[in-house]
Amino acid sequence: NAGVTQTPKFQVLKTGQSMTLQCAQDMNHEYMSWYRQDPGMGLRLIHYSVGAGITDQGEVPNGYNVSRSTTEDFPLRLLSAAPSQTSVYFCASGDGEQFFGPGTRLTVL
Amino acid sequence: LAKTTQPISMDSYEGQEVNITCSHNNIATNDYITWYQQFPSQGPRFIIQGYKTKVTNEVASLFIPADRKSSTLSLPRVSLSDTAVYYCLVGEVLDSSYKLIFGSGTRLLVRP
Repeated sequence: NAGVTQTPKFQVLKTGQSMTLQCAQDMNHEYMSWYRQDPGMGLRLIHYSVGAGITDQGEVPNGYNVSRSTTEDFPLRLLSAAPSQTSVYFCASGDGEQFFGPGTRLTVL
Repeated sequence: LAKTTQPISMDSYEGQEVNITCSHNNIATNDYITWYQQFPSQGPRFIIQGYKTKVTNEVASLFIPADRKSSTLSLPRVSLSDTAVYYCLVGEVLDSSYKLIFGSGTRLLVRP
């Protein structure tokens, strides 16, 4: 099992650019979620999904879109990147205990 | 989800037992208490989960008093590698386990 994988590991964007952060899991979990973590802070929930075709908003959803077409994949889209979105992004999956990916470090200039 | 309060930081020395207490005065009947550990530049990792009394696994113990308004994570004989941030979370296992609400956590520093 690869667990939860995220790509890319690092990304630099210019303000206004769009991009998709990829997240995949091979544990057949129904539940998946996206978090962001700013320096020295705890994680904040962006969006989550309880199964293929079902998504919902978390604490800080503005500026992000998600979709869940398969059980395995849960991509996070930044529509128009802003410097305030500079952060580390973690994807998680689990039906109970949550397993977190290694994170994507995003810098928006 | 119930709000939690933890100390911002703690210091300890190798070989000592460390107890981190979390306050959750508004815990609901169906809520469980879960602790996660996070090392720098890594995602959080599940440590332990409990509902009442005491739970023990290979890495930690979780003590929960009868009123469940607080809980204590106990790390026996810590080592330098236990230096990390520890998060206490409270919520229903099935409905909320996938939408964890993190606070600022407790930064544990283990010194030689």
